[in-house]
Amino acid sequence: GDSVTQMEGPVTLSEEAFLTINCTYTATGYPSLFWYVQYPGEGLQLLLKATKADDKGSNKGFEATYRKETTSFHLEKGSVQVSDSAVYFCALSLGLTGGGNKLTFGTGTQLKVEL
Amino acid sequence: DSGVTQTPKHLITATGQRVTLRCSPRSGDLSVYWYQQSLDQGLQFLIQYYNGEERAKGNILERFSAQQFPDLHSELNLSSLELGDSALYFCASSVLGSLNTGELFFGEGSRLTVL
Repeated sequence: GDSVTQMEGPVTLSEEAFLTINCTYTATGYPSLFWYVQYPGEGLQLLLKATKADDKGSNKGFEATYRKETTSFHLEKGSVQVSDSAVYFCALSLGLTGGGNKLTFGTGTQLKVEL
Repeated sequence: DSGVTQTPKHLITATGQRVTLRCSPRSGDLSVYWYQQSLDQGLQFLIQYYNGEERAKGNILERFSAQQFPDLHSELNLSSLELGDSALYFCASSVLGSLNTGELFFGEGSRLTVL
């Protein structure tokens, strides 16, 4: 079945450090890929997305590139801030073409940024 | 604020009991999704409704049921509760049936504790 694998956390970084959170996927079709972020006590919110191979999603300094050849969608940010501390979820969707409209999520990676 | 409203925010009940979680989607959104977030299983898709009809089903137990009403709000009913049902239950909504170009908007969740 379809699945998403993320690196385990927590990831602890100093402010202004470079961030990479790895995400790989397995899917039977051609999924759209997403990164969602969950701040403490809140619901998930979309951070960025990419709908086809080689697309780059970007938002708030975060970037991720849809790599079909390596089935990956790694999240990167050049300089993290304390306010980026949250749990980050990688997800895929096959939409109507893939037997349902649900998002399949990875297990989430907790990021802690310290001063 | 995502525009998705979930009630109650917190619920404590006993094993064997039944509870109902309620979700009001964003204005104009036709699709409602229910997810369960637990420490050991991560974010699991339960069920999706689109304009009142069930559209996709995930790992939803037979003790659980859901429905979407004509005003588009949705309820998730959990019965014969067990300790393992303790989790954070999220509702999300979207305009489109397909997620290939859409985005899910999540509520803040209902935290269920079964004692």
